[in-house]
Order: sequence, then structure tokens, then C-alpha cells
Amino acid sequence: GAGVSQSPSNKVTEKGKDVELRCDPISGHTALYWYRQRLGQGLEFLIYFQGNSAPDKSGLPSDRFSAERTGESVSTLTIQRTQQEDSAVYLCASSLLGTASGNTIYFGEGSWLTVV
Amino acid sequence: AQSVTQLGSHVSVSEGALVLLRCNYSSSVPPYLFWYVQYPNQGLQLLLKYTTGATLVKGINGFEAEFKKSETSFHLTKPSAHMSDAAEYFCAVSGSARQLTFGSGTQLTVLP
Repeated sequence: GAGVSQSPSNKVTEKGKDVELRCDPISGHTALYWYRQRLGQGLEFLIYFQGNSAPDKSGLPSDRFSAERTGESVSTLTIQRTQQEDSAVYLCASSLLGTASGNTIYFGEGSWLTVV
Repeated sequence: AQSVTQLGSHVSVSEGALVLLRCNYSSSVPPYLFWYVQYPNQGLQLLLKYTTGATLVKGINGFEAEFKKSETSFHLTKPSAHMSDAAEYFCAVSGSARQLTFGSGTQLTVLP
């Protein structure tokens, strides 16, 4: 597609339920990132996929968070047993190559998650 | 390791006045530096980036930034603010880590 696509755009879930957030990167982009943005705060790195390399999971805040990516396409971020502090905007981004090459990363509109 | 510090979480300027948003970085390797803008309820949009070469970088909407290695800074400027510039601005660095590290953001308010 023309840009990074994320779904759902909004999700309200009950505490303790699992949620899945989906990201469709720009076609041909080998690198894919997930960031979290809490209300009024900056972006917090969660996880990074680059081609067939092992993902960089160093930003995942707990073992309730996991992410997968199928080849160089769609990625799913899963949050198990959601807590109220998980409420945030989850932003997906992609780039042609990794940013260590100076590549621009392009962001989706985000998935707004509210845990009640 | 890499990090970004944005001085001033909120900046207010009058329409037509100079905009100056400050960014200092830390990187163990020569960095690539980025400025992104986020309008309300939208994703992030790239304003400009520095990779190599000319240290004064021009971006969209009349913004520019200068990479100063000696000061480890990458401040964002615009000569004349417009009401439509009101948004949140994020500075980011890509250095030794493979992902972008973002600053905490600066909310720009433009007063009529």
C-alpha cells in the first residue's frame, strides 16, 4: 500500500483480556518497528524486525507483550492479560532498510488502546 | 548507547515570530538525526533528517535544522511561525542502536 496501515484504529478492552494489533508496512520495506506512546509522553521503543534476522525485543516491557512478523510483510503485536497501564497509542513504522543506514522510517496512524 | 534530550516540553511563540526547538543528542558513533512532527490525533511525519554532508538541513514547511557536532545539538528553527505549525515535535537519533531513539517531545503553541 501507499503507507503504513494499522488496525484497529481504536480498541477498548477489559482489563485481563488479550488484544492483537496489526500492522501492514509499506511494500518492500524490510524493517518494521513498534513503538508505544502514552498520553502526553514521547515514543517508547518496543520491538524491531529486520528481514530474516532475529528481532530486537529489548524494548518489550514485560512477557505479556509479544510480536511476530511474517516474512517482510504483516506484523502482529499481542498484549496478553491487559492492564490499565497498557493504555496508549501503539505506533507501527517501517523503513526500506534499518535506520542505522540513515533511512527514514514512516509511521502509521497508530492503534489507540484503552483498557478499562 | 544513544539518547536525545529536548529542552522545553512546551514552547509558545507569536505568529510571525522565530521558532526555535532545542535538541541535544548522545551517541557513541556518528549519528543520523531526525525531526518528526505530530499533529493532533495523527501519526508522525518526517520534517527533515541529517545523515552526512551539509550540516544545515532544510525540510518541509520552511523548517530547517543545523547539526553541530561540537555542541552535540540539532536544533530546529523556522524564521516565521504560522498558526498551522502548532503541533508536537520530536527529535530522534539513530546511532549504535538499530532503531530510532526519540526525545520526549516539545509541544509548540502559536499565538495569534
